[in-house]
Amino acid sequence: AQSVTQPDIHITVSEGASLELRCNYSYGATPYLFWYVQSPGQGLQLLLKYFSGDTLVQGIKGFEAEFKRSQSSFNLRKPSVHWSDAAEYFCAVGANYGGSQGNLIFGKGTKLSVKP
Amino acid sequence: ETGVTQTPRHLVMGMTNKKSLKCEQHLGHNAMYWYKQSAKKPLELMFVYSLEERVENNSVPSRFSPECPNSSHLFLHLHTLQPEDSALYLCASSQDYDSYTDTQYFGPGTRLTVL
Repeated sequence: AQSVTQPDIHITVSEGASLELRCNYSYGATPYLFWYVQSPGQGLQLLLKYFSGDTLVQGIKGFEAEFKRSQSSFNLRKPSVHWSDAAEYFCAVGANYGGSQGNLIFGKGTKLSVKP
Repeated sequence: ETGVTQTPRHLVMGMTNKKSLKCEQHLGHNAMYWYKQSAKKPLELMFVYSLEERVENNSVPSRFSPECPNSSHLFLHLHTLQPEDSALYLCASSQDYDSYTDTQYFGPGTRLTVL
């Protein structure tokens, strides 16, 4: 069965420091991978997505992610974190179950705190 | 209004009450979704509608009843809920349901508390 693991429940980084959020997936075929961010009191917003091609994907707000098939990973990175990046981040994989192709399976999320 | 809106934003109800959550999308999309977000659990897909027909029902208890009267509106009718149903209920929409490439756009959610 498809699954997504985000090993870190909570990460704290200093403002201006670099960030890497981990995501590992389990999926039998070519995965379709997504990163979403949820600010407090808000819905989820898409940061970036990977379907095929270049394994380094650029997203909004200065985020990028790298797909590594050999490691079944799709880690999210940002070179310099801003206080406004404090939020919860969700990795998701496009799943195909029940004959449908539109479902997403989400990880449990990583909460990011940013200290001054 | 733009994007996906949800009302109410907060709802407190007793176990014997009947209430409804409303979602509206202003994006011209054909697919709409209900998710449940509980603490320390992944988002759970509850229902999916594509072109106003239900295409997914992921073993959700019958005390949750969805309704999609048109492609812009989605409701979740609630009755005789349990305290463990307290959660954030998120609505989302996408252009179509049958493509991974379509981004899902989420509303801000309804925070539901069942007493």
